[in-house]
Amino acid sequence: DAGVIQSPRHEVTEMGQEVTLRCKPISGHDYLFWYRQTMMRGLELLIYFNNNVPIDDSGMPEDRFSAKMPNASFSTLKIQPSEPRDSAVYFCASSLDRGLVAGELFFGEGSRLTVL
Amino acid sequence: GESVGLHLPTLSVQEGDNSIINCAYSNSASDYFIWYKQESGKGPQFIIDIRSNMDKRQGQRVTVLLNKTVKHLSLQIAATQPGDSAVYFCAEICTGANSKLTFGKGITLSVRP
Repeated sequence: DAGVIQSPRHEVTEMGQEVTLRCKPISGHDYLFWYRQTMMRGLELLIYFNNNVPIDDSGMPEDRFSAKMPNASFSTLKIQPSEPRDSAVYFCASSLDRGLVAGELFFGEGSRLTVL
Repeated sequence: GESVGLHLPTLSVQEGDNSIINCAYSNSASDYFIWYKQESGKGPQFIIDIRSNMDKRQGQRVTVLLNKTVKHLSLQIAATQPGDSAVYFCAEICTGANSKLTFGKGITLSVRP
């Protein structure tokens, strides 16, 4: 299995621009998670989906952030407009449905975003 | 996906020695705990988990200990190798409806050759 695939690996953009991060979860996994990692806050859960349906988006910082999962094999995290404080590494993770919103999460390699 | 180890507590050990990485968790209702390892430029990787009805669980070269009385979790790595150098995160969750995994800040393990 190729694991969780994220793109782009690195993105540098200017403040005000739209950013779209993409994720392909492991086939057969029912849960998909978006995390943000910064030096100040560590790993923060932004949103997670179960069977393509958003379950909890309480971690999404503000309305500038949105996430979609149009099908079981693809999800996007969009920031519009982007701000310098959005600079971070964004991770996508997926997991099997174990009846827990936990278990073993399989993380992608992350998308490093720098907003100038 | 660089780790954030430069600003995290660091544990330095000699290759071949045993390592003990400690974590204090915050929620007394948490009943499931996981250790993750994050190598530089990669995403976190599951190492081992433990449920609150256990106080010890062993894997290959790793052991997790849980002390619910003082809300303390530790990861022991036997015969530490250079490949063990990474940032280690403990994570906790109170299993149930709408529960979410919460990660600790992380500890950097540096293995000296």
